[in-house]
Amino acid sequence: DPKIIQKPKYLVAVTGSEKILICEQYLGHNAMYWYRQSAKKPLEFMFSYSYQKLMDNQTASSRFQPQSSKKNHLDLQITALKPDDSATYFCASSQEGGLFNSGNTLYFGEGSRLIVV
Amino acid sequence: GDSVTQTEGLVTLTEGLPVMLNCTYQSTYSPFLFWYVQHLNEAPKLLLKSFTDNKRPEHQGFHATLHKSSSSFHLQKSSAQLSDSALYYCALSPRNSNNRIFFGDGTQLVVKP
Repeated sequence: DPKIIQKPKYLVAVTGSEKILICEQYLGHNAMYWYRQSAKKPLEFMFSYSYQKLMDNQTASSRFQPQSSKKNHLDLQITALKPDDSATYFCASSQEGGLFNSGNTLYFGEGSRLIVV
Repeated sequence: GDSVTQTEGLVTLTEGLPVMLNCTYQSTYSPFLFWYVQHLNEAPKLLLKSFTDNKRPEHQGFHATLHKSSSSFHLQKSSAQLSDSALYYCALSPRNSNNRIFFGDGTQLVVKP
């Protein structure tokens, strides 16, 4: 059974619309992340959360907003969608994610493939 | 800044031949180094990671040695198998980084019969 569940697996959206990508992890981890994979940039860090607090943000656009309603949830809201947003969005988690990095392994979900037309 | 360089975008070789995928890095703080593997239509998953001592990590026949003097963490395997065909990412996590992991551009390995 997958321990990190991402929904939906596939999504087609219209330019200018808004979508939410869902992520839940059942590994008991304290840190969660979003990564994006497209042809232009193979695996790109977006956000990291630790104990539901934003730790790191690499995304330039405010159109991407992570939302953490529970410790094991980290959703990604994307507004005003553009064709360039087309990519596979991977949610990931690790045991810890704070300042004192101990080289925790990232575990990835299966991804949400977004196509913006 | 912190970065990872994988010079080969595509490596094609014949089953049974040795594999070596290059990875060099740049980091201000002594980082953790990883190799992740992604098979077609699957999620990336950890293949191996560097230890803080001098142990050489190994998994599924793959191994990598961290050379601080040359800032390298090349991935090697003595004999490629068809099932090794996948996308391989070298990754780095600086010790002061909130566990952020920087990925290289990836190397696509294609093993032919």
